Amino acid sequence: EIVLTQSPGTLSLSPGERATLSCRASQSVNSNYLAWYQKKPGQAPRLLIYGVSNRATGMPDRFSGSGSGTDFTLTISRLEPEDFAVYYCQQYGNSSWTFGQGTKVEIK
Amino acid sequence: QVQLQQAGPGLVKPSQTLSLTCAVSGDSISSNSAIWNWIRQSPSRGLEWLGRTYYRSEWHNDYAVSVKSRIIIDPDTSKNQFSLHLNSVTPDDTAVYFCARGVTAGDYWGQGTLVTVSS
Repeated sequence: EIVLTQSPGTLSLSPGERATLSCRASQSVNSNYLAWYQKKPGQAPRLLIYGVSNRATGMPDRFSGSGSGTDFTLTISRLEPEDFAVYYCQQYGNSSWTFGQGTKVEIK
Repeated sequence: QVQLQQAGPGLVKPSQTLSLTCAVSGDSISSNSAIWNWIRQSPSRGLEWLGRTYYRSEWHNDYAVSVKSRIIIDPDTSKNQFSLHLNSVTPDDTAVYFCARGVTAGDYWGQGTLVTVSS
Protein backbone atom coordinates (compact mmCIF):
# COMPACT_ATOMS: atom_id res chain seq x y z
CA GLU A 1 0.00 0.00 0.00
CA ILE A 2 1.29 3.45 -0.91
CA VAL A 3 1.66 5.73 2.11
CA LEU A 4 1.23 9.46 1.59
CA THR A 5 3.04 11.84 3.94
CA GLN A 6 2.00 15.49 3.95
CA SER A 7 4.03 18.41 5.21
CA PRO A 8 3.94 20.63 7.05
CA GLY A 9 1.31 19.51 9.53
CA THR A 10 0.19 23.10 10.03
CA LEU A 11 0.82 26.20 7.94
CA SER A 12 0.19 29.58 9.58
CA LEU A 13 -0.27 32.29 6.97
CA SER A 14 -2.11 35.56 6.43
CA PRO A 15 -4.76 36.26 3.78
CA GLY A 16 -3.10 37.22 0.51
CA GLU A 17 -0.02 35.07 1.14
CA ARG A 18 1.05 32.08 -0.91
CA ALA A 19 0.62 28.55 0.48
CA THR A 20 2.76 25.62 -0.61
CA LEU A 21 1.70 22.16 0.60
CA SER A 22 3.69 18.99 0.04
CA CYS A 23 2.63 15.37 -0.42
CA ARG A 24 5.26 12.65 -0.63
CA ALA A 25 4.44 9.05 -1.61
CA SER A 26 6.28 5.97 -0.36
CA GLN A 27 6.46 4.74 -3.96
CA SER A 28 5.66 6.12 -7.37
CA VAL A 29 1.98 7.02 -7.83
CA ASN A 30 0.39 5.06 -10.66
CA SER A 31 -0.28 7.13 -13.80
CA ASN A 32 -0.11 10.26 -11.69
CA TYR A 33 -3.49 9.51 -10.09
CA LEU A 34 -2.96 12.10 -7.37
CA ALA A 35 -5.75 14.35 -6.11
CA TRP A 36 -6.13 17.14 -3.55
CA TYR A 37 -9.15 17.95 -1.39
CA GLN A 38 -10.16 20.80 0.87
CA LYS A 39 -12.02 19.90 4.04
CA LYS A 40 -13.81 22.11 6.53
CA PRO A 41 -15.37 20.93 9.83
CA GLY A 42 -18.78 19.34 9.38
CA GLN A 43 -18.44 19.19 5.61
CA ALA A 44 -17.48 16.51 3.12
CA PRO A 45 -14.12 16.78 1.38
CA ARG A 46 -14.25 18.96 -1.72
CA LEU A 47 -12.22 17.89 -4.75
CA LEU A 48 -9.79 20.61 -5.82
CA ILE A 49 -7.29 18.90 -8.10
CA TYR A 50 -7.23 15.52 -9.85
CA GLY A 51 -4.62 13.88 -12.05
CA VAL A 52 -1.90 15.95 -10.31
CA SER A 53 -2.69 19.26 -11.99
CA ASN A 54 -6.27 19.34 -13.30
CA ARG A 55 -8.59 21.70 -11.47
CA ALA A 56 -11.98 20.24 -10.62
CA THR A 57 -15.07 21.92 -11.99
CA GLY A 58 -15.63 25.33 -10.46
CA MET A 59 -12.34 25.49 -8.55
CA PRO A 60 -10.65 28.93 -8.62
CA ASP A 61 -7.42 29.25 -10.58
CA ARG A 62 -5.52 30.32 -7.46
CA PHE A 63 -5.35 26.56 -6.72
CA SER A 64 -2.76 24.64 -8.70
CA GLY A 65 -1.13 21.23 -8.46
CA SER A 66 2.19 19.94 -9.69
CA GLY A 67 4.64 17.09 -9.31
CA SER A 68 5.26 13.57 -10.51
CA GLY A 69 6.41 10.19 -9.30
CA THR A 70 6.59 10.50 -5.52
CA ASP A 71 6.59 14.26 -4.90
CA PHE A 72 3.56 16.47 -5.33
CA THR A 73 2.66 20.04 -4.43
CA LEU A 74 -0.55 22.01 -3.98
CA THR A 75 -0.09 25.76 -4.30
CA ILE A 76 -2.62 28.39 -3.33
CA SER A 77 -1.31 31.53 -4.99
CA ARG A 78 -3.07 34.05 -2.79
CA LEU A 79 -5.02 32.93 0.25
CA GLU A 80 -8.61 34.06 0.54
CA PRO A 81 -10.44 33.94 3.90
CA GLU A 82 -12.44 30.89 2.76
CA ASP A 83 -9.25 28.93 1.99
CA PHE A 84 -8.35 28.36 5.63
CA ALA A 85 -9.08 24.66 6.05
CA VAL A 86 -7.43 21.23 6.08
CA TYR A 87 -6.05 19.89 2.79
CA TYR A 88 -5.59 16.23 1.94
CA CYS A 89 -3.81 14.47 -0.87
CA GLN A 90 -5.11 11.14 -2.14
CA GLN A 91 -3.78 8.55 -4.57
CA TYR A 92 -5.47 5.81 -6.57
CA GLY A 93 -3.78 2.48 -7.13
CA ASN A 94 -4.49 -1.25 -6.82
CA SER A 95 -8.24 -0.53 -7.03
CA SER A 96 -8.21 1.55 -3.87
CA TRP A 97 -7.64 5.05 -2.52
CA THR A 98 -5.24 6.15 0.20
CA PHE A 99 -5.09 9.57 1.81
CA GLY A 100 -2.43 11.66 3.45
CA GLN A 101 -2.87 12.79 7.03
CA GLY A 102 -3.64 16.37 6.06
CA THR A 103 -2.15 19.86 6.29
CA LYS A 104 -4.03 22.49 8.23
CA VAL A 105 -3.81 25.99 6.79
CA GLU A 106 -4.61 28.41 9.61
CA ILE A 107 -4.81 32.15 9.91
CA LYS A 108 -1.66 33.68 11.33
CA GLN B 1 -26.43 18.01 -10.75
CA VAL B 2 -25.26 14.83 -9.03
CA GLN B 3 -26.28 14.51 -5.41
CA LEU B 4 -25.59 11.80 -2.84
CA GLN B 5 -27.85 11.62 0.22
CA GLN B 6 -26.85 9.41 3.13
CA ALA B 7 -29.17 7.80 5.67
CA GLY B 8 -28.74 5.48 8.61
CA PRO B 9 -28.47 5.29 12.39
CA GLY B 10 -25.98 7.36 14.31
CA LEU B 11 -25.56 4.86 17.12
CA VAL B 12 -24.67 1.18 16.84
CA LYS B 13 -23.93 -1.27 19.65
CA PRO B 14 -20.65 -3.17 19.76
CA SER B 15 -20.67 -6.49 17.87
CA GLN B 16 -23.66 -5.39 15.78
CA THR B 17 -23.79 -4.38 12.11
CA LEU B 18 -23.41 -0.79 10.95
CA SER B 19 -25.62 -0.14 7.91
CA LEU B 20 -25.80 3.07 5.87
CA THR B 21 -27.40 3.90 2.55
CA CYS B 22 -26.39 6.42 -0.09
CA ALA B 23 -29.16 7.52 -2.46
CA VAL B 24 -27.93 8.92 -5.77
CA SER B 25 -29.68 11.49 -7.96
CA GLY B 26 -28.43 12.98 -11.21
CA ASP B 27 -26.56 9.80 -12.19
CA SER B 28 -27.23 6.09 -12.37
CA ILE B 29 -25.39 3.69 -10.10
CA SER B 30 -25.55 1.25 -13.03
CA SER B 31 -23.55 3.61 -15.21
CA ASN B 32 -20.65 1.92 -17.00
CA SER B 33 -18.33 4.79 -16.15
CA ALA B 34 -19.06 5.56 -12.49
CA ILE B 35 -17.75 3.95 -9.31
CA TRP B 36 -19.39 4.28 -5.91
CA ASN B 37 -17.29 4.40 -2.77
CA TRP B 38 -17.48 4.46 1.01
CA ILE B 39 -14.88 6.36 3.06
CA ARG B 40 -14.70 7.14 6.77
CA GLN B 41 -12.86 9.68 8.90
CA SER B 42 -11.84 9.37 12.51
CA PRO B 43 -9.22 11.11 14.67
CA SER B 44 -7.23 7.89 14.99
CA ARG B 45 -7.38 6.70 11.36
CA GLY B 46 -7.76 9.92 9.39
CA LEU B 47 -9.50 9.50 6.04
CA GLU B 48 -9.80 5.81 5.22
CA TRP B 49 -11.24 4.36 2.02
CA LEU B 50 -13.39 1.31 2.82
CA GLY B 51 -14.53 -0.05 -0.49
CA ARG B 52 -16.43 0.42 -3.73
CA THR B 53 -19.04 -1.05 -6.02
CA TYR B 54 -19.48 -0.58 -9.75
CA TYR B 55 -21.23 -2.03 -12.79
CA ARG B 56 -19.35 -3.18 -15.86
CA SER B 57 -21.75 -5.66 -17.48
CA GLU B 58 -21.98 -7.15 -14.00
CA TRP B 59 -21.50 -5.84 -10.47
CA HIS B 60 -18.02 -5.70 -8.95
CA ASN B 61 -16.71 -4.88 -5.48
CA ASP B 62 -13.34 -4.02 -4.01
CA TYR B 63 -12.67 -3.68 -0.29
CA ALA B 64 -9.91 -2.32 1.89
CA VAL B 65 -7.77 -5.01 3.45
CA SER B 66 -8.40 -3.54 6.90
CA VAL B 67 -12.13 -4.32 6.76
CA LYS B 68 -12.35 -6.99 4.07
CA SER B 69 -13.60 -9.72 6.38
CA ARG B 70 -16.41 -7.54 7.79
CA ILE B 71 -17.73 -5.41 4.93
CA ILE B 72 -20.33 -5.67 2.22
CA ILE B 73 -21.22 -2.88 -0.21
CA ASP B 74 -24.26 -3.66 -2.27
CA PRO B 75 -26.26 -1.80 -4.91
CA ASP B 76 -30.01 -1.38 -5.06
CA THR B 77 -30.80 -0.46 -8.63
CA SER B 78 -34.55 -0.15 -7.99
CA LYS B 79 -33.84 2.79 -5.64
CA ASN B 80 -30.63 3.98 -7.35
CA GLN B 81 -28.72 3.69 -4.10
CA PHE B 82 -25.92 1.66 -2.59
CA SER B 83 -25.35 0.51 0.96
CA LEU B 84 -22.54 -0.13 3.39
CA HIS B 85 -22.77 -3.00 5.88
CA LEU B 86 -19.95 -3.36 8.40
CA ASN B 87 -20.40 -6.18 10.87
CA SER B 88 -18.89 -6.98 14.26
CA VAL B 89 -18.25 -3.32 14.97
CA THR B 90 -16.16 -2.08 17.89
CA PRO B 91 -15.67 1.41 19.32
CA ASP B 92 -12.73 1.73 16.89
CA ASP B 93 -15.29 1.89 14.06
CA THR B 94 -16.67 5.15 15.44
CA ALA B 95 -16.22 7.66 12.64
CA VAL B 96 -17.89 9.97 10.17
CA TYR B 97 -18.83 7.87 7.16
CA PHE B 98 -19.05 9.32 3.64
CA CYS B 99 -20.20 7.94 0.32
CA ALA B 100 -18.64 9.33 -2.84
CA ARG B 101 -18.66 8.96 -6.59
CA GLY B 102 -15.39 8.60 -8.41
CA VAL B 103 -12.88 6.31 -10.05
CA THR B 104 -9.47 7.83 -9.32
CA ALA B 105 -10.84 10.56 -7.02
CA GLY B 106 -14.14 11.58 -5.46
CA ASP B 107 -15.94 14.33 -7.33
CA TYR B 108 -19.29 14.12 -5.52
CA TRP B 109 -19.73 13.24 -1.86
CA GLY B 110 -22.54 12.58 0.56
CA GLN B 111 -23.01 14.86 3.52
CA GLY B 112 -21.42 12.47 6.01
CA THR B 113 -22.94 10.47 8.88
CA LEU B 114 -21.42 10.33 12.34
CA VAL B 115 -21.71 6.77 13.58
CA THR B 116 -20.86 6.09 17.20
CA VAL B 117 -20.27 2.54 18.38
CA SER B 118 -21.28 2.34 22.01
CA SER B 119 -23.43 0.26 24.31
